[in-house]
Amino acid sequence: QVQLVESGGGLVKPGGSLRLSCVASGFSFSDYYMTWIRQAPGKGLEYVSYISGESTNTNFADSVKGRFTISRDNAENSVYLQLNSLRSDDTAVYYCARMVHMNCWYIDFWGQGTVVTVSS
Amino acid sequence: DIQLTQSPSSLSASVGDRVIITCRASQTIDNYLNWYQQKPGKVPKLLIYAASSLQSGVPSRFSGSGSGTDFTLTISSLQPEDFATYYCQQTFRTMTFGQGTRLEIK
Repeated sequence: QVQLVESGGGLVKPGGSLRLSCVASGFSFSDYYMTWIRQAPGKGLEYVSYISGESTNTNFADSVKGRFTISRDNAENSVYLQLNSLRSDDTAVYYCARMVHMNCWYIDFWGQGTVVTVSS
Repeated sequence: DIQLTQSPSSLSASVGDRVIITCRASQTIDNYLNWYQQKPGKVPKLLIYAASSLQSGVPSRFSGSGSGTDFTLTISSLQPEDFATYYCQQTFRTMTFGQGTRLEIK
């Protein structure tokens, strides 16, 4: 069965950095776009970034552009999100998710999330 | 950026009620519109993709419709497990989510 397991979250000071990881299993990882979605405490879902199967296509939300980078290692079935220059409004649960295209792009599986807290 | 506006933002309803949630896009998105359900402390769950296609395993009381800029999610007869927050999502141009609709028990 499909599993996505995130790690790497934690408490970091403003201006600091974190690297989030997501290990996938149960499917042919390199065939899928992967995305990171975040949810601030008590708030809605916010798109962060996506990466194509062979890393040829990446995209970022305006709110993180220039501060976050996304990468993947298909040999390790892993996708990563590097968070730099962190701000208090980056505090959120960060979900790793799988994207599928069937008439439309959508997310069919989500990880359980990893919590990032930015505070001094 | 394409903005999605859901209405209402919150809704109180009773078991057995028919509920309709709407999602309006700031520009046309064809049928690139999906719906998710999220319960407190849980991961979002896909209900509907491509505006009207029911995800495998989702009860048939959930349905979606619309195209262009106006979309609806309908729950034909509310069940106790349906009380949750619902989000629409567009993937026509990158990805954005609506602000959510919180469905509460009356």
